[in-house]
Amino acid sequence: GQNIDQPTEMTATEGAIVQINCTYQTSGFNGLFWYQQHAGEAPTFLSYNVLDGLEEKGRFSSFLSRSKGYSYLLLKELQMKDSASYLCAVRGSDQAGTALIFGKGTTLSVSS
Amino acid sequence: GAGVSQTPSNKVTEKGKYVELRCDPISGHTALYWYRQSLGQGPEFLIYFQGTGAADDSGLPNDRFFAVRPEGSVSTLKIQRTERGDSAVYLCASSPDSLGSQYFGPGTRLTVL
Repeated sequence: GQNIDQPTEMTATEGAIVQINCTYQTSGFNGLFWYQQHAGEAPTFLSYNVLDGLEEKGRFSSFLSRSKGYSYLLLKELQMKDSASYLCAVRGSDQAGTALIFGKGTTLSVSS
Repeated sequence: GAGVSQTPSNKVTEKGKYVELRCDPISGHTALYWYRQSLGQGPEFLIYFQGTGAADDSGLPNDRFFAVRPEGSVSTLKIQRTERGDSAVYLCASSPDSLGSQYFGPGTRLTVL
């Protein structure tokens, strides 16, 4: 079966660093994505990993280990506007290699 | 450079009615996806188009759901004999090709009374 697990909720303070973990079990793998979704809005693309290692983009970084079925999203210098749901998604090759399988999302609350 | 647009933004209908939801993808994007998102859940895949054809419709829950993309651009998701359980946000996404990053529209919130 297909399964993507991530924590339901996390809290952090402004200026801090937070790491959101994601583990996956899928019948195939063709890339892992992280999306940010503010309440009532559409998911916004953050990052993409297909090879093992760290991808850095400004305050956000994403890491992938294919052998462990594991990824994390690292958010640095947290700001209040980072309060949102963070969705981990895998492109599983048994779905024509293109459709994304999403986790339930991690709701991050940033306080001052 | 407009993004993905979806209409209507909100749709309220009665059980048993027929509804159509429209998606206008980013210009030039050949791949188009429909997802459904319920409260507290991640988006759930429904159907994927590459050009005009449905390359994968394995996520459609039953035969009341149907989608078309006749000219390879705008897509319409059609739901017949709506049920209360169909209430959700219906998201459309497009990407430049079958392996590109997917960009989502604002969604249509469907409420079936």
